[in-house]
Amino acid sequence: EIVLTQSPGTLSLSPGERATLSCRASQSVTSNYLAWYQQQRGQAPRLLIHRASSRATDIPDRFSGSGSGTDFTLTISRLEPEDFAVYFCQQYGSSPGTFGQGTKLEIK
Amino acid sequence: QVQLQDSGPGLVKPSETLSLTCTVSGGSMNSFYWSWIRQPAGRGLEWIGRIYTSGDTYYNPSLKSRVSMSVDTSKNQFSLRLRSVTAADTAVYYCARGREHCTSSSCSAYFDHWGQGSLVTVSS
Repeated sequence: EIVLTQSPGTLSLSPGERATLSCRASQSVTSNYLAWYQQQRGQAPRLLIHRASSRATDIPDRFSGSGSGTDFTLTISRLEPEDFAVYFCQQYGSSPGTFGQGTKLEIK
Repeated sequence: QVQLQDSGPGLVKPSETLSLTCTVSGGSMNSFYWSWIRQPAGRGLEWIGRIYTSGDTYYNPSLKSRVSMSVDTSKNQFSLRLRSVTAADTAVYYCARGREHCTSSSCSAYFDHWGQGSLVTVSS
């Protein structure tokens, strides 16, 4: 089973700033099958990115994903108030699919 | 727009069976991978298993001995049963639609639609 480690655990930034979230895999993620989700408090996760860099439907272009192999990044170019949430990465290149423990993005 | 609605008892006694049902609306269940995922309070997400509309299932090895899933396409529903629950099974349980991708060795999915989640507490 692939273990995903997200860093930092908590990221404190201000609206308008750029956010960079990291997801590192314990072994290479096949075909870069890596997704990112946003979870607001008390809500279900929402898909942001799949296959490392493909934005899901209706996701604003301030969200971008990059990376390959074992190192992946989610970048939010200019933070909006609604972007402060918890973010999870997930690999689906091998079964069972596994999730990272999450990064909490909080307002500074 | 596809919507998923999960339902079931919020309280289950230790050693009993947790049962949840997910109803899918706004689209066909065919050609997708239907899953259950759980999240203990304040923690990360754990994939429980998946079912196709054919009834074919695959479970997370960590839960395989206690899990079963079923599907009823006539009602656009799929269900989860988790046997012999303990306090460690207390979590929010989500149903989700998976977009499957296969490699030479295995198949898995990312999840593009989720139910709202059902909090299940295991307590006497």
